Amino acid sequence: GQQVMQIPQYQHVQEGEDFTTYCNSSTTLSNIQWYKQRPGGHPVFLIQLVKSGEVKKQKRLTFQFGEAKKNSSLHITATQTTDVGTYFCADLSSGSARQLTFGSGTQLTVLP
Amino acid sequence: NAGVTQTPKFQVLKTGQSMTLQCAQDMNHNSMYWYRQDPGMGLRLIYYSASEGTTDKGEVPNGYNVSRLNKREFSLRLESAAPSQTSVYFCASTGLSYEQYFGPGTRLTVT
Repeated sequence: GQQVMQIPQYQHVQEGEDFTTYCNSSTTLSNIQWYKQRPGGHPVFLIQLVKSGEVKKQKRLTFQFGEAKKNSSLHITATQTTDVGTYFCADLSSGSARQLTFGSGTQLTVLP
Repeated sequence: NAGVTQTPKFQVLKTGQSMTLQCAQDMNHNSMYWYRQDPGMGLRLIYYSASEGTTDKGEVPNGYNVSRLNKREFSLRLESAAPSQTSVYFCASTGLSYEQYFGPGTRLTVT
Protein backbone atom coordinates (compact mmCIF):
# COMPACT_ATOMS: atom_id res chain seq x y z
CA GLY A 1 0.00 0.00 0.00
CA GLN A 2 0.84 3.68 0.04
CA GLN A 3 3.95 4.50 2.10
CA VAL A 4 4.60 7.93 3.47
CA MET A 5 8.12 8.69 4.69
CA GLN A 6 8.69 11.52 7.11
CA ILE A 7 12.00 13.11 8.13
CA PRO A 8 13.65 13.87 10.43
CA GLN A 9 12.44 11.53 13.16
CA TYR A 10 13.64 13.90 15.89
CA GLN A 11 14.56 17.58 15.93
CA HIS A 12 15.85 19.67 18.80
CA VAL A 13 15.88 23.44 18.30
CA GLN A 14 16.60 26.45 20.44
CA GLU A 15 13.55 28.61 21.06
CA GLY A 16 13.35 31.19 18.28
CA GLU A 17 14.96 28.95 15.65
CA ASP A 18 13.03 27.70 12.65
CA PHE A 19 11.92 24.09 12.13
CA THR A 20 10.95 22.08 9.07
CA THR A 21 9.61 18.54 8.69
CA TYR A 22 9.32 16.79 5.34
CA CYS A 23 6.93 14.19 4.05
CA ASN A 24 7.80 12.14 0.94
CA SER A 25 6.21 9.41 -1.14
CA SER A 26 7.36 7.41 -4.16
CA THR A 27 3.82 7.61 -5.56
CA THR A 28 1.45 10.50 -6.03
CA LEU A 29 -0.25 11.63 -2.85
CA SER A 30 -3.98 12.30 -2.93
CA ASN A 31 -4.56 14.92 -0.26
CA ILE A 32 -2.11 15.63 2.54
CA GLN A 33 -3.24 16.31 6.07
CA TRP A 34 -1.03 17.48 8.94
CA TYR A 35 -1.60 16.71 12.60
CA LYS A 36 0.08 17.75 15.85
CA GLN A 37 0.27 15.52 18.91
CA ARG A 38 1.37 17.01 22.21
CA PRO A 39 3.26 14.71 24.62
CA GLY A 40 0.74 12.35 26.23
CA GLY A 41 -2.05 13.70 24.05
CA HIS A 42 -3.93 12.75 20.93
CA PRO A 43 -3.41 13.89 17.32
CA VAL A 44 -5.11 17.17 16.45
CA PHE A 45 -5.86 18.15 12.87
CA LEU A 46 -3.95 21.20 11.60
CA ILE A 47 -4.61 21.52 7.88
CA GLN A 48 -5.35 19.75 4.60
CA LEU A 49 -3.60 20.41 1.28
CA VAL A 50 -5.31 19.36 -1.92
CA LYS A 51 -3.78 21.09 -4.93
CA SER A 52 -0.39 20.69 -6.53
CA GLY A 53 1.94 23.49 -5.39
CA GLU A 54 -0.48 24.65 -2.70
CA VAL A 55 0.88 26.81 0.12
CA LYS A 56 -1.13 27.58 3.25
CA LYS A 57 -0.18 29.57 6.32
CA GLN A 58 -1.41 29.49 9.90
CA LYS A 59 0.36 32.22 11.86
CA ARG A 60 3.96 30.95 12.17
CA LEU A 61 3.23 27.65 10.38
CA THR A 62 3.64 27.30 6.60
CA PHE A 63 2.45 24.17 4.81
CA GLN A 64 3.46 23.29 1.26
CA PHE A 65 2.38 20.60 -1.20
CA GLY A 66 4.90 19.73 -3.91
CA GLU A 67 4.26 20.43 -7.57
CA ALA A 68 4.29 16.71 -8.37
CA LYS A 69 2.19 15.89 -5.26
CA LYS A 70 4.90 13.54 -4.03
CA ASN A 71 6.08 15.60 -1.10
CA SER A 72 4.91 18.09 1.48
CA SER A 73 6.51 20.16 4.21
CA LEU A 74 5.64 21.97 7.40
CA HIS A 75 7.80 24.94 8.38
CA ILE A 76 7.57 26.70 11.73
CA THR A 77 9.13 30.16 11.99
CA ALA A 78 10.63 31.27 15.30
CA THR A 79 9.65 28.25 17.37
CA GLN A 80 8.11 28.63 20.81
CA THR A 81 7.92 26.15 23.67
CA THR A 82 4.24 25.70 22.85
CA ASP A 83 5.29 24.12 19.53
CA VAL A 84 6.67 21.05 21.33
CA GLY A 85 5.12 17.80 20.13
CA THR A 86 5.11 15.32 17.28
CA TYR A 87 4.02 16.43 13.84
CA PHE A 88 2.51 13.88 11.48
CA CYS A 89 1.67 14.06 7.83
CA ALA A 90 -0.97 11.72 6.45
CA ASP A 91 -2.14 10.84 2.95
CA LEU A 92 -5.90 10.73 2.49
CA SER A 93 -6.89 7.87 0.22
CA SER A 94 -9.27 8.47 -2.64
CA GLY A 95 -11.36 5.37 -1.94
CA SER A 96 -14.86 5.41 -0.48
CA ALA A 97 -13.65 5.03 3.09
CA ARG A 98 -11.15 7.91 2.86
CA GLN A 99 -8.49 6.28 5.00
CA LEU A 100 -5.40 8.06 6.25
CA THR A 101 -1.90 6.62 5.87
CA PHE A 102 0.32 8.32 8.42
CA GLY A 103 4.00 9.13 8.27
CA SER A 104 6.07 8.09 11.28
CA GLY A 105 6.15 11.66 12.61
CA THR A 106 8.78 14.22 13.60
CA GLN A 107 9.22 14.79 17.31
CA LEU A 108 10.08 18.43 17.99
CA THR A 109 11.78 19.56 21.18
CA VAL A 110 12.16 23.27 21.80
CA LEU A 111 14.86 24.26 24.26
CA PRO A 112 14.15 27.49 26.18
CA ASN B 1 -20.14 18.62 22.73
CA ALA B 2 -17.74 15.96 24.03
CA GLY B 3 -16.33 15.07 20.58
CA VAL B 4 -14.81 11.58 20.63
CA THR B 5 -14.71 9.75 23.95
CA GLN B 6 -12.89 6.51 24.77
CA THR B 7 -12.97 4.16 27.73
CA PRO B 8 -10.99 3.02 29.57
CA LYS B 9 -8.02 5.44 29.67
CA PHE B 10 -5.61 2.81 30.99
CA GLN B 11 -5.73 -0.99 31.12
CA VAL B 12 -3.37 -3.77 32.13
CA LEU B 13 -4.15 -7.27 30.89
CA LYS B 14 -2.50 -10.62 31.25
CA THR B 15 -1.69 -12.66 28.16
CA GLY B 16 -4.79 -14.48 26.98
CA GLN B 17 -7.32 -12.17 28.63
CA SER B 18 -9.96 -10.41 26.56
CA MET B 19 -11.30 -6.89 26.66
CA THR B 20 -13.34 -4.37 24.70
CA LEU B 21 -12.32 -0.78 24.09
CA GLN B 22 -15.26 1.57 23.77
CA CYS B 23 -15.51 4.63 21.55
CA ALA B 24 -18.34 7.09 21.01
CA GLN B 25 -18.71 10.33 19.05
CA ASP B 26 -21.44 12.96 19.27
CA MET B 27 -20.67 14.80 16.02
CA ASN B 28 -23.01 12.73 13.80
CA HIS B 29 -20.07 11.50 11.74
CA ASN B 30 -20.53 8.56 9.40
CA SER B 31 -16.98 7.15 9.39
CA MET B 32 -15.06 5.91 12.41
CA TYR B 33 -11.60 4.39 12.81
CA TRP B 34 -9.39 2.48 15.24
CA TYR B 35 -5.63 3.05 15.26
CA ARG B 36 -2.74 1.79 17.31
CA GLN B 37 0.32 3.91 18.00
CA ASP B 38 3.70 2.40 18.78
CA PRO B 39 6.92 4.38 19.38
CA GLY B 40 8.53 5.52 16.14
CA MET B 41 5.81 3.99 13.95
CA GLY B 42 3.17 6.65 13.71
CA LEU B 43 -0.46 5.57 13.71
CA ARG B 44 -1.51 2.36 12.01
CA LEU B 45 -5.09 1.65 11.03
CA ILE B 46 -6.60 -1.47 12.60
CA TYR B 47 -10.21 -1.35 11.41
CA TYR B 48 -12.58 1.25 10.11
CA SER B 49 -16.28 1.74 9.54
CA ALA B 50 -17.29 3.89 6.59
CA SER B 51 -20.89 4.01 7.78
CA GLU B 52 -23.23 2.40 10.27
CA GLY B 53 -23.50 -1.30 9.56
CA THR B 54 -20.18 -1.67 7.71
CA THR B 55 -16.68 -2.49 8.91
CA ASP B 56 -13.44 -3.19 7.05
CA LYS B 57 -9.90 -4.25 7.85
CA GLY B 58 -7.09 -1.76 7.90
CA GLU B 59 -3.35 -2.29 7.84
CA VAL B 60 -3.00 -4.35 11.07
CA PRO B 61 -6.30 -6.19 11.82
CA ASN B 62 -4.94 -9.51 13.13
CA GLY B 63 -5.94 -10.22 16.74
CA TYR B 64 -8.77 -7.67 16.76
CA ASN B 65 -12.48 -7.51 16.05
CA VAL B 66 -14.80 -4.52 15.84
CA SER B 67 -18.48 -3.71 16.16
CA ARG B 68 -20.24 -0.64 14.84
CA LEU B 69 -23.06 -0.71 17.36
CA ASN B 70 -24.86 2.34 15.94
CA LYS B 71 -23.85 5.62 14.31
CA ARG B 72 -22.29 6.91 17.54
CA GLU B 73 -20.40 3.89 18.83
CA PHE B 74 -17.54 1.79 17.49
CA SER B 75 -15.91 -0.80 19.75
CA LEU B 76 -12.64 -2.72 19.42
CA ARG B 77 -12.26 -6.18 20.96
CA LEU B 78 -9.15 -8.13 21.81
CA GLU B 79 -10.21 -11.77 22.17
CA SER B 80 -6.91 -13.14 23.50
CA ALA B 81 -4.44 -10.40 24.34
CA ALA B 82 -0.76 -10.79 23.50
CA PRO B 83 2.25 -8.71 24.63
CA SER B 84 2.62 -7.50 21.01
CA GLN B 85 -0.71 -5.69 21.47
CA THR B 86 0.78 -3.41 24.12
CA SER B 87 0.18 0.00 22.58
CA VAL B 88 -1.82 3.20 22.69
CA TYR B 89 -5.17 2.85 20.93
CA PHE B 90 -6.94 5.80 19.37
CA CYS B 91 -10.45 6.02 18.01
CA ALA B 92 -11.29 8.71 15.45
CA SER B 93 -14.20 9.95 13.38
CA THR B 94 -14.24 11.94 10.16
CA GLY B 95 -15.63 15.40 9.60
CA LEU B 96 -17.11 16.96 6.46
CA SER B 97 -13.71 17.72 4.87
CA TYR B 98 -12.31 14.32 5.89
CA GLU B 99 -10.32 15.75 8.78
CA GLN B 100 -10.17 13.23 11.61
CA TYR B 101 -11.10 13.92 15.22
CA PHE B 102 -9.33 11.70 17.72
CA GLY B 103 -10.32 10.50 21.15
CA PRO B 104 -7.95 10.78 24.14
CA GLY B 105 -6.63 7.24 23.71
CA THR B 106 -6.42 4.03 25.74
CA ARG B 107 -3.01 2.99 27.05
CA LEU B 108 -2.95 -0.81 27.08
CA THR B 109 -0.25 -2.98 28.60
CA VAL B 110 -0.30 -6.75 28.13
CA THR B 111 1.99 -8.71 30.47
